[in-house]
Amino acid sequence: EIVMTQSPATLSVSPGERVTLSCRASQSVSNSLAWYQQKPGQAPRLLIYSASTRATGVPARFSGSGSGTEFTLTVSSLQSEDFAVYYCQQYNNWYTFGQGTKLEIK
Amino acid sequence: EVQLVQSGAEVKKPGESLKISCKGSGYNFTNYWLAWVRQMPGKGLEWVGVIYPGDSETRYSPSFQGQVTISADKSSSSAYLQWSSLQASDTAMYYCTRHHFGMDVWGHGTTVTVSS
Repeated sequence: EIVMTQSPATLSVSPGERVTLSCRASQSVSNSLAWYQQKPGQAPRLLIYSASTRATGVPARFSGSGSGTEFTLTVSSLQSEDFAVYYCQQYNNWYTFGQGTKLEIK
Repeated sequence: EVQLVQSGAEVKKPGESLKISCKGSGYNFTNYWLAWVRQMPGKGLEWVGVIYPGDSETRYSPSFQGQVTISADKSSSSAYLQWSSLQASDTAMYYCTRHHFGMDVWGHGTTVTVSS
């Protein structure tokens, strides 16, 4: 089973800042990597697939990069609506989620 | 509009059985893998299993193998997640979600509460 590890667990940032979230796979997942955003009381929302492709309707301030075992999600300028929990997920060998990174307001 | 509509919240006692549903609309239900994802209170997302409604091929996460059963009915564009004997540790939100380059469409979730 592929293990996905996200860091950090929590990130305190101010609106307008640039932030980078990390995700590491225990073995190569090629570019079969997705990022999701989840707000309290809501279902997750797909942000990025194939490691770097934005899903429909996702603002351009969200970008993904990486391949193999190391991946990042960058938000170029945090808006108030971006404070949420972010999960990475591999789908190269069925599915595994990371444990999540919570973005909180500083 | 592509959507997944899940059945309502359930409250059950330990040892009872349960089957929750997820109905797809707005797309060809048989052509996409449909997954179930668990989220325990205050915790992260866990993949439970997945089914391809076209031929009912099913795969389970090792953590859930033998604990649940996933099925689908092409005629009603519905997928199901069932338990034969619930435990308190099954208390969680369960989401169904379509896999298409990532999990691109999600149901609203079904809350399952197991308590004596």
